[in-house]
Amino acid sequence: DAGVTQSPTHLIKTRGQQVTLRCSPKSGHDTVSWYQQALGQGPQFIFQYYEEEERQRGNFPDRFSGHQFPNYSSELNVNALLLGDSALYLCASSFSGGAVGDTQYFGPGTRLTVL
Amino acid sequence: AQSVAQPEDQVNVAEGNPLTVKCTYSVSGNPYLFWYVQYPNRGLQFLLKYITGDNLVKGSYGFEAEFNKSQTSFHLKKPSALVSDSALYFCAVRDWGGTASKLTFGTGTRLQVTL
Repeated sequence: DAGVTQSPTHLIKTRGQQVTLRCSPKSGHDTVSWYQQALGQGPQFIFQYYEEEERQRGNFPDRFSGHQFPNYSSELNVNALLLGDSALYLCASSFSGGAVGDTQYFGPGTRLTVL
Repeated sequence: AQSVAQPEDQVNVAEGNPLTVKCTYSVSGNPYLFWYVQYPNRGLQFLLKYITGDNLVKGSYGFEAEFNKSQTSFHLKKPSALVSDSALYFCAVRDWGGTASKLTFGTGTRLQVTL
């Protein structure tokens, strides 16, 4: 049973460019959440997708957008990259129909470096 | 809003000794608490969670956590530490904001186990 997968592993961009990160959820999961983890900090919630719609957004600007596909996979897009966007981007999947304490399982992350 | 605090940036312990990584929480309503571990250049791995019931929760790799409502704490413990337990540990709380359930993380505690 494959866990959460993310691509690419590493990415280097320059300021002002745009980037797309991809995530495939764990088998049986239908909900995808994205988190940003800056160096030396805990992960920060960006947004969550369910039924191809954004359910909730954290404190991130509109430069951050996402999409969920019918097969539950998801993309995170960041436009007009800033140096401060350099971070590890984590995708987490969960099952919406589970008990209230359903667990989010994380992928290995994509390390984004903005020069 | 829900929050967790990890008061120690780093915990040092000798192999074979018991370890404790501290976490305190602040929530309105019932707390849903989680521990994750992060190895270098890796994503987060789920260790255990508290939803309800027994205050002592057992998880992966011999870890357990004790939920204490009066002290609003959820400390991670292991009876005998291994060098391979050296990693970054995050406490998190389920935050039921809007229609989504996001995780709010602490700042992390680095565990260093030495021979």
